[in-house]
Amino acid sequence: KNQVEQSPQSLIILEGKNCTLQCNYTVSPFSNLRWYKQDTGRGPVSLTIMTFSENTKSNGRYTATLDADTKQSSLHITASQLSDSASYICVVSDRGSTLGRLYFGRGTQLTVWP
Amino acid sequence: EADIYQTPRYLVIGTGKKITLECSQTMGHDKMYWYQQDPGMELHLIHYSYGVNSTEKGDLSSESTVSRIRTEHFPLTLESARPSHTSQYLCASSERQGYEQFFGPGTRLTVL
Repeated sequence: KNQVEQSPQSLIILEGKNCTLQCNYTVSPFSNLRWYKQDTGRGPVSLTIMTFSENTKSNGRYTATLDADTKQSSLHITASQLSDSASYICVVSDRGSTLGRLYFGRGTQLTVWP
Repeated sequence: EADIYQTPRYLVIGTGKKITLECSQTMGHDKMYWYQQDPGMELHLIHYSYGVNSTEKGDLSSESTVSRIRTEHFPLTLESARPSHTSQYLCASSERQGYEQFFGPGTRLTVL
């Protein structure tokens, strides 16, 4: 069964600290993996996209890694800011369907305290 | 910021009422999607469309219906709202299947 599991479910850190969010997936055949940021009451916004051959990709203070062999990804946030408080969702796409089916994790709820 | 819009943003309505949630995008995308999301849970695909006059049901069974008469417009209708329909509804579009999906801000529906 194609699934996406994220950990931790929630995380509280102090402003300026770093953190790492985890994503494990069983989606096959794999096409790509995206990390989305979803602010409360808003729609998700894409942060990074990684394909099978990519190991690391950065977007400002966000760095995503992908290990396609172990089917694991992480999102590292450096020097956190209050505006980083949001839900971070791992989304995996398969290439076995004509729709390009997306599988969503439940997200990690990050809270940054001053 | 993606050019995809949803109205209303919030809706509180009584049981049995008919409602239509609006979704419009100005990017000319052929592919559009409706998702349902409960607090702390993952997004579930309830409807999608490959283009004009194309609509399909998603993975999560839903009593709602959709239409796609124009490329930019993908409204979702509930003929008779019930408390079990209380949820957040997110609309999205993409240039091609498998490409990045751009999400609207969502409609939070509460049925009393």
